[in-house]
Parts: sequence; C-alpha cells; structure tokens
Amino acid sequence: ILNVEQSPQSLHVQEGDSTNFTCSFPSSNFYALHWYRWETAKSPEALFVMTLNGDEKKKGRISATLNTKEGYSYLYIKGSQPEDSATYLCAFIISGTYKYIFGTGTRLKVLA
Amino acid sequence: SAVISQKPSRDICQRGTSLTIQCQVDSQVTMMFWYRQQPGQSLTLIATANQGSEATYESGFVIDKFPISRPNLTFSTLTVSNMSPEDSSIYLCSVRTGLDYGYTFGSGTRLTVV
Repeated sequence: ILNVEQSPQSLHVQEGDSTNFTCSFPSSNFYALHWYRWETAKSPEALFVMTLNGDEKKKGRISATLNTKEGYSYLYIKGSQPEDSATYLCAFIISGTYKYIFGTGTRLKVLA
Repeated sequence: SAVISQKPSRDICQRGTSLTIQCQVDSQVTMMFWYRQQPGQSLTLIATANQGSEATYESGFVIDKFPISRPNLTFSTLTVSNMSPEDSSIYLCSVRTGLDYGYTFGSGTRLTVV
C-alpha cells in the first residue's frame, strides 16, 4: 500500500508569519507530485506540478521544493495572509499507472 | 482549463435513502473521476466514469452502492445508495487536464447522513 503523508495535520499562524509544511511520499515509482489548495466550499485548485528531483516552483508568496530521492516535498508560504487559509493537498502520481494518491492535507488558518 | 459545475453543494439525508450528485463539464472529456473525502481522511478515488461503457471501480467500492451514469462526454452522475452515517463525506468529481497539469475539480458535495 502506497502512503502519502502530510504534516502537520493543521496549524494556525498569525498574519505576516511565514510557514511551511511537508508531504512525504514513496521514493520509488515516482512520476510527479502535485500540490493543490482547497478553500472551503470551493474546488481544489492546482498550485504546482513537480516532476524532477530538486525542482523548485514559485507562485507569488508560495513556493515548493521536491526531493524524490528521499521522498518529500515542502510547501512554503511567505508572509501569510488570511486569504491563504485553506487545506493544502499533495498528490503523488505513480509511474506507469499514473494513479494519484492524495495526502490527507494540511489545514492552514491564518489569523488576522 | 475545464470548468465543472457540481450539485448539490451540500445535503443532509436520512439513512437508508439515496442521493444523486451531478457534474457538468463545459467541454468534452473522455474520463471523469469521482472522489470521496471522509472526515480526517485523504481524497480517495471511487471510480472512473467512461462514456459509453461501465464505470471502473476502485477496490472497496461497488456499483450497487455507488452507481454511476455517463450519458455523454460532458455529464456524469454518482448516486450514493442506501446511505448510512459512514457515507458522510465530501464527494468530488474531476477531470484530468493532463498529467502535467493535474486535475480540475468540481466544488464538491458535502453530504451528511443522519
């Protein structure tokens, strides 16, 4: 059974703080890793698609890194804002089958 | 990317009843995917809906409990049958815009079974 784990499960930060969380995945059979942001009552929105070991992607104040050899990805948010409050999901895509395995998500609450 | 309209957005249902969730895509897609997220759990694939053929169900999910229709390339329904409180979840439909682009999701149906 392939497991994708995210930590922490939830966290609260103050507006302006920077934060990061982790997605751990199997280091074998790797095709790609996706990050999504899921706000309450909205559709999950794709943030990053990461495919190569050492990848670093950035979108505004949010960035992500990828280490396929050790099986982890970090998502960073710089200067958190209340609108960043959401659940952040990672999804591991299995090489060959292209099946997606989602993590349980990290629920972020940014306090004004 | 595709836009998906999903309804209902939420419902509270009595145990033993059934609920049908609808998804409409603004473009033609070959495959549509139905996911469930139970409280505290990860998004789990229920089945893949193919137009013109029976849906393909993942391990642990059966057609009698989650019948799916796919009458054309832009529409699909998922029915949650004979519901119990354990079926309380968020149900999402999605389409894959490409392995390099990830999924596009509907806005979800939050189901509570009492």
